[in-house]
Amino acid sequence: GENVEQHPSTLSVQEGDSAVIKCTYSDSASNYFPWYKQELGKRPQLIIDIRSNVGEKKDQRIAVTLNKTAKHFSLHITETQPEDSAVYFCAASFTGTASKLTFGTGTRLQVTL
Amino acid sequence: DSGVTQTPKHLITATGQRVTLRCSPRSGDLSVYWYQQSLDQGLQFLIQYYNGEERAKGNILERFSAQQFPDLHSELNLSSLELGDSALYFCASSVSWGELFFGEGSRLTVL
Repeated sequence: GENVEQHPSTLSVQEGDSAVIKCTYSDSASNYFPWYKQELGKRPQLIIDIRSNVGEKKDQRIAVTLNKTAKHFSLHITETQPEDSAVYFCAASFTGTASKLTFGTGTRLQVTL
Repeated sequence: DSGVTQTPKHLITATGQRVTLRCSPRSGDLSVYWYQQSLDQGLQFLIQYYNGEERAKGNILERFSAQQFPDLHSELNLSSLELGDSALYFCASSVSWGELFFGEGSRLTVL
């Protein structure tokens, strides 16, 4: 089955700096890679996703890059703000019917003033 | 609001007891997933149902069981509870694949 590794487990940046979180996956058949943000005490919510036919996707201050050859993908947050503080989870799956998302172990991002 | 409803929100019980957590997926979603999140831990996949049938199993203990009913709501049954079962249990739903929509979770405390 799929295995997703995520690094770092914790990340502290100053407000305005950039943050990068990296994930690797094991199953070459995986073709869907979402990122979820979980604020303290809240449910995980999708913030951005990318499919294997795309190398990069941006949404305002957030971007995700995918390297299928190396089987890794990354989340980039620019101009970080205090409200970006949360736990971020990467995930991977094959987009077959009722496919299962495999999550990484999470990165706790702390944006300091 | 994700459209996924979980009940109860909080549950406190004793070791050895049995509880049932309930999940109503978003309207039209056929897939229901259950995840366990212990304190400061990641999302551990338990089990997935698609249109009433079990589709995938993760690290679900034998003391735990689940089912999805014809109206597509799902229940997760936890029995012979232990202290280590204390966690936040999330239900999520999706159409078939792609974005998962999570409920607010059911926080279980076993004393």
